[in-house]
Amino acid sequence: EAAVTQSPRNKVTVTGGNVTLSCRQTNSHNYMYWYRQDTGHGLRLIHYSYGAGNLQIGDVPDGYKATRTTQEDFFLLLELASPSQTSLYFCASRGGQDTQYFGPGTRLLVL
Amino acid sequence: GDSVTQTEGLVTLTEGLPVMLNCTYQSTYSPFLFWYVQHLNEAPKLLLKSFTDNKRPEHQGFHATLHKSSSSFHLQKSSAQLSDSALYYCAFASSGSWQLIFGSGTQLTVMP
Repeated sequence: EAAVTQSPRNKVTVTGGNVTLSCRQTNSHNYMYWYRQDTGHGLRLIHYSYGAGNLQIGDVPDGYKATRTTQEDFFLLLELASPSQTSLYFCASRGGQDTQYFGPGTRLLVL
Repeated sequence: GDSVTQTEGLVTLTEGLPVMLNCTYQSTYSPFLFWYVQHLNEAPKLLLKSFTDNKRPEHQGFHATLHKSSSSFHLQKSSAQLSDSALYYCAFASSGSWQLIFGSGTQLTVMP
């Protein structure tokens, strides 16, 4: 099965803080995604990428930047974190037949 | 626009009873439908996916049938187990699309 890892697994920051969430996949998948998961909203797409240097905007991009440095690595940046960005963040990569493989998630708390 | 709807936010039932979780979609093009399952403190993972040849996908006792006439892909199981307690997401992708569109999820709780 496809392997997707995320770090850190838990993060606490203050309002206005700077946060970087990291994601790595080792399955040579082209597409990678960042989602946030909130009760009552399900999984919402923030940004995605189909290769190194590429970035596409998802459905809830405000307050987030992302960067895909290599085929394996995809980063999510919160430059001025706000309490509304407290959430569980998942990274995913897309393999064959449109199946997405999710990482273990990063729990972010913005105080 | 494209969308997927899961009408039940919470479903609670007793072990041994049948399970049916609803999923309907709106799509301009022929879709692929998916069910993802997320157990507590775990990542979502694929449970099953619709086939292009209309075969009924099955996995771990769950099955779902794509009904294009009613735009539905309901998840079913004949007998619920305690270990089925989890959050279930229906999702779809239009043919050739890069994006999965997820429903809001249904929390299934199976009681002894």
